[in-house]
Amino acid sequence: EAGVTQFPSHSVIEKGQTVTLRCDPISGHDNLYWYRRVMGKEIKFLLHFVKESKQDESGMPNNRFLAERTGGTYSTLKVQPAELEDSGVYFCASSHNSGAEAFFGQGTRLTVV
Amino acid sequence: AQSVTQLDSQVPVFEEAPVELRCNYSSSVSVYLFWYVQYPNQGLQLLLKYLSGSTLVKGINGFEAEFNKSQTSFHLRKPSVHISDTAEYFCAVTPGYSTLTFGKGTMLLVSP
Repeated sequence: EAGVTQFPSHSVIEKGQTVTLRCDPISGHDNLYWYRRVMGKEIKFLLHFVKESKQDESGMPNNRFLAERTGGTYSTLKVQPAELEDSGVYFCASSHNSGAEAFFGQGTRLTVV
Repeated sequence: AQSVTQLDSQVPVFEEAPVELRCNYSSSVSVYLFWYVQYPNQGLQLLLKYLSGSTLVKGINGFEAEFNKSQTSFHLRKPSVHISDTAEYFCAVTPGYSTLTFGKGTMLLVSP
């Protein structure tokens, strides 16, 4: 069974550009989470989808970040326009239901220069 | 709200020596506790978890952790480490098995 897959694994963009990160959860997992780790800091929660609905987006840093999960399958996280402080590793996780263990992807390392 | 403190950012240790990675948490409600590991160029992998019951929890790769409610701690231990245990270890908590609050991570560096 395939795990959580994230694309791309690395992305280097210039300040002001747009980047879209993608996460494919484990098949059948209704819950999908985005987390971010800025260098030297802790991994922080960004938002939580249940199917295609945003259950909790309290961790989204500002309106330059837009997450979608059309059809309740894969999810995208768009940063527009990117700023230097957006650099970090973005993790995606999925779980079968809210009371189940979450499985993490390998992360996308985003570098804004 | 919850918070997690991992007191050591790096722990250097020699192969076959014992190791303890410290984790303290703060929460106004009961929480579940987890340790995750990230090996180089890999994603986060669950090492072990405490939900309820016995306070000593055994995980994969010979790791174990002990939940201490009075000290609000969940320290991770291994009696004898291997080079392959070199990785970053994250302690995390959640009040309802949903969104996780992580510590800053501890890099375990095992040398021959």
